[in-house]
Amino acid sequence: GDSVTQMEGPVTLSEEAFLTINCTYTATGYPSLFWYVQYPGEGLQLLLKATKADDKGSNKGFEATYRKETTSFHLEKGSVQVSDSAVYFCALSANSGGSNYKLTFGKGTLLTVNP
Amino acid sequence: DSGVTQTPKHLITATGQRVTLRCSPRSGDLSVYWYQQSLDQGLQFLIQYYNGEERAKGNILERFSAQQFPDLHSELNLSSLELGDSALYFCASSAWGGLTETQYFGPGTRLLVL
Repeated sequence: GDSVTQMEGPVTLSEEAFLTINCTYTATGYPSLFWYVQYPGEGLQLLLKATKADDKGSNKGFEATYRKETTSFHLEKGSVQVSDSAVYFCALSANSGGSNYKLTFGKGTLLTVNP
Repeated sequence: DSGVTQTPKHLITATGQRVTLRCSPRSGDLSVYWYQQSLDQGLQFLIQYYNGEERAKGNILERFSAQQFPDLHSELNLSSLELGDSALYFCASSAWGGLTETQYFGPGTRLLVL
């Protein structure tokens, strides 16, 4: 079945450091790929997405490129801020039968950014 | 604010009881999803509805059921509750449930079974 593997946390960085959170996936067909972020006490919100190979999703300084050859969708940000502290989830959307699609999530990576 | 609302925010109940969680999707969205988030299992897809009809099932226990009403709000019913059902339950919605669509998540209902 479909699965997403992302680096285990927690990840602790100083403000302005470079961030990489690795994500690899297994899926049949051509999934869409997403990064969601969950701030403390809140629901998930979309950070960025890519729907086909070599697409780059970007938002708020975060970027991720859909790499079909390595089945990866690594999240990067050049300079993190304290306000980026949250849990980050990599997810894929793939066919779950007929014309239905569901999200499969990785386990999440807790990021803490210290001033 | 995603536009998806969930009630109640918190729920504390005892083993063996039954509870109902409610979700209102974003205006115009026809597809509703339910997810369970727990420390040991992570985020798991439970079930999807589209315009009142069940579309897909994930790791949903037989003790759990859901429905989507004509006004498109959805309810998740959890019965014969066990300690292990304690978790955060999220509802999400999207326009029609397509491959490339973003799912918009509600704030969640935190269920504690004592």
